[in-house]
Parts: sequence; C-alpha cells; structure tokens
Amino acid sequence: DQQVKQNSPSLSVQEGRISILNCDYTNSMFDYFLWYKKYPAEGPTFLISISSIKDKNEDGRFTVFLNKSAKHLSLHIVPSQPGDSAVYFCAASGDTNAGKSTFGDGTTLTVKP
Amino acid sequence: EAQVTQNPRYLITVTGKKLTVTCSQNMNHEYMSWYRQDPGLGLRQIYYSMNVEVTDKGDVPEGYKVSRKEKRNFPLILESPSPNQTSLYFCASRTSWVANTGELFFGEGSRLTVL
Repeated sequence: DQQVKQNSPSLSVQEGRISILNCDYTNSMFDYFLWYKKYPAEGPTFLISISSIKDKNEDGRFTVFLNKSAKHLSLHIVPSQPGDSAVYFCAASGDTNAGKSTFGDGTTLTVKP
Repeated sequence: EAQVTQNPRYLITVTGKKLTVTCSQNMNHEYMSWYRQDPGLGLRQIYYSMNVEVTDKGDVPEGYKVSRKEKRNFPLILESPSPNQTSLYFCASRTSWVANTGELFFGEGSRLTVL
C-alpha cells in the first residue's frame, strides 16, 4: 500500500512558465509534508515544507499548497528555470510515528530553454 | 561545513560477503535514517534512529542491520548481501526525532552492486 503517490513520473515545461507537481497521500495521520529536489549523482536536498495547520507556504519562486480534505498537495514553481530540472520527491510524516518518513516515487521535471 | 558523509560511494561486491556502509554527520543531529532508491520506487526507508542506542525498522528492513553507538555515526550493515540489495543508498539526518521540526539532510549516496 503506497501511502504517498506522485502520479506523474515526468513533466516538461518551457522556461518562464509555471511548473505544477502533484502529490497524493492516503494516511490521514500525516501532518507534515516536505518537497525535496534531487540532481543526478547527488543526494536529495530540501526545498520547502508545510504543516497541516496551513494550506499554503511560499518561499521565493516555490509555493506548496495543501488540501487536507482531498489529501493532496502540490508544488508550484514560478517562473520555471532550466536549473530547476531535477527529480522532485514529496515526503510525509506524522507525530504518531515520528521516526518514519514516507516518500513518493518522484517526478522528473525538465525545464526547456 | 555541515554535512552527512557516506562511505564508500561506490562498491561492487559478491553475494554473501559482509559489508558496512558508514554514515557520519557533523551537525549534532539526534535523528538519522537510511533509505534505498530503486528505479520507479522512490526512496524507501530501511532503518532509523531517534537517538543514541535507539533504532527502529523502516519499511524495508529485511537483510539489513544498524547500530547507533555514537550520535554522529549510523552505519548500515549487510551481513550477507544478495543481488536484490543492489541499489542506491542514502543516509540522512535531522535535528530532532520530532517529525515537524525540520528537514532531512542527505548524504551523497552509496551505489552498491551485489553480484
């Protein structure tokens, strides 16, 4: 049972346009969500997070939206840049099992110049 | 520089030959964790540690052991590696065991091939 799903394995957008990456989860006990970015031959690096008490968190070009009723979150990148081309992982965790972090399969974003 | 260091970065070994992948962090983090990444399967958690001498299983612990004798180190042990443990392994750490206190810091990864 995959508790965190990223249904789009890949996404291609034009430079300057918006990139929207989606993530769905099934465990209602998850209350903290993070996005990580991964370049080839490197470890994932943190991008942005959101707590379940919020529905939006913004950091520069990156905004994460959380819809708790739909168990859905999305990452918006505006404007997209070629350097944003990477694999993006959605991750979720909850205080009831604080040690566990569950990741999605990842979405490969390609931003074309 | 704050970092998580894994060694070795690349290893080819044979079935049954015990190996250890080391992980060390210099940020005084309480929490450490191991993940494996396989094509199409994302990052799956193997084991985690909330503090010294406190470890627990993740989602895919079979065939692995860990120990946390010191705060900075969290080695991953494959007692008898098998080909299905061929994977890319990541170690990560976080300030606190409390989940919503911050992000994970990852090492650069260790690519392991078991023949």
